[in-house]
Amino acid sequence: EAGVAQSPRYKIIEKRQSVAFWCNPISGHATLYWYQQILGQGPKLLIQFQNNGVVDDSQLPKDRFSAERLKGVDSTLKIQPAKLEDSAVYLCASSPGQYSNQPQHFGDGTRLSIL
Amino acid sequence: AQKITQTQPGMFVQEKEAVTLDCTYDTSDPSYGLFWYKQPSSGEMIFLIYQGSYDQQNATEGRYSLNFQKARKSANLVISASQLGDSAMYFCAMNFSAGNNRKLIWGLGTSLAVNP
Repeated sequence: EAGVAQSPRYKIIEKRQSVAFWCNPISGHATLYWYQQILGQGPKLLIQFQNNGVVDDSQLPKDRFSAERLKGVDSTLKIQPAKLEDSAVYLCASSPGQYSNQPQHFGDGTRLSIL
Repeated sequence: AQKITQTQPGMFVQEKEAVTLDCTYDTSDPSYGLFWYKQPSSGEMIFLIYQGSYDQQNATEGRYSLNFQKARKSANLVISASQLGDSAMYFCAMNFSAGNNRKLIWGLGTSLAVNP
């Protein structure tokens, strides 16, 4: 079974530029999550999708962050414009369903550095 | 309020010895799940082991076991026969019901160093 795929692996941009991350979940997983992990901290949920609908985006800074999962499979997360405090690892995860106690499975993450 | 606490910022263990990483939790949801993840320096988050609140027996997965003490609200991870490759950050997480959804909250993590 193929795991969660994320790209790019690393990204360096200057502040005020825009950046986009891509995620392809495990086949058949209905629920997709985007997390932000700042160095030395645990992951922080940005947004959760169930198929192509948003379940939870309460911690997404909507003035600069956006995410979509148009066909209920892969997803993109965008930051525009980027700020210095956005430097972090962005993790994508998927699970079979939002009501499940099945574990979330993670991709390798994108390490974002803002100059 | 739902809470996960990992009180050990860093731990050291000698290769081939066992180590216990502590995790305590608090929740009012009777149906919850506890997870342990490993995060090496390369950054990926690797699922290790799961314990459901109604599970009678402690979970085990190879060298990993979960010491689940429900009355104490603790879910400690035990790694037996430590290997150099076990050096990583370890996160405890808990999921619980939140309205029409289940949420996952994370501890701050414990950094484990395995010494040769």
